[in-house]
Amino acid sequence: NAGVTQTPKFQVLKTGQSMTLQCAQDMNHEYMSWYRQDPGMGLRLIHYSVGAGITDQGEVPNGYNVSRSTTEDFPLRLLSAAPSQTSVYFCASSFTGGGYTFGSGTRLTVV
Amino acid sequence: DQQVKQNSPSLSVQEGRISILNCDYTNSMFDYFLWYKKYPAEGPTFLISISSIKDKNEDGRFTVFLNKSAKHLSLHIVPSQPGDSAVYFCAASVSYNQGGKLIFGQGTELSVKP
Repeated sequence: NAGVTQTPKFQVLKTGQSMTLQCAQDMNHEYMSWYRQDPGMGLRLIHYSVGAGITDQGEVPNGYNVSRSTTEDFPLRLLSAAPSQTSVYFCASSFTGGGYTFGSGTRLTVV
Repeated sequence: DQQVKQNSPSLSVQEGRISILNCDYTNSMFDYFLWYKKYPAEGPTFLISISSIKDKNEDGRFTVFLNKSAKHLSLHIVPSQPGDSAVYFCAASVSYNQGGKLIFGQGTELSVKP
């Protein structure tokens, strides 16, 4: 049981580049979410999904896209990277009534 | 608009004493609350939760108290240990997490000194 797996662990992008942060879970959880962590801001919800084919916006969705074609995978796409998207990104999954299980994070720097 | 607030960025406590971490929320629809612990370079890990039908939940050294009228919850750690030094986040959701939308506070960094 790997839990929640995020790749890559580190990434440096140039402004304007696009990329996809990968997230996979093997616990058959219904819910998956993406958060970003910034100093003094805590964990802010970017997008979340309550099941395959269903996604919704969180607190800070601008500049990010998501899709959920399978229960296991929930990739986060940065369309055109900006320095303001420099952050640590966490993916998490959960079942109904349960606490979220988090991945170990992706540290992204946009230069 | 910050729906979940942790107004103390840091807290320092002596080993063996009680640590009390506080959290306030503004959305009266929240009915499920959780505490997470985070070490540097790791993802947050679930610590303890409470639903709005209760006012207290205990798990070993950790107790969460909920005051719905004040929209306030707190996490008590007794006795505190140096290994408890970490950042603690409170989080809240609507409908016992059936919506999948969990909102976090800013975090409080706890330092437990030997």
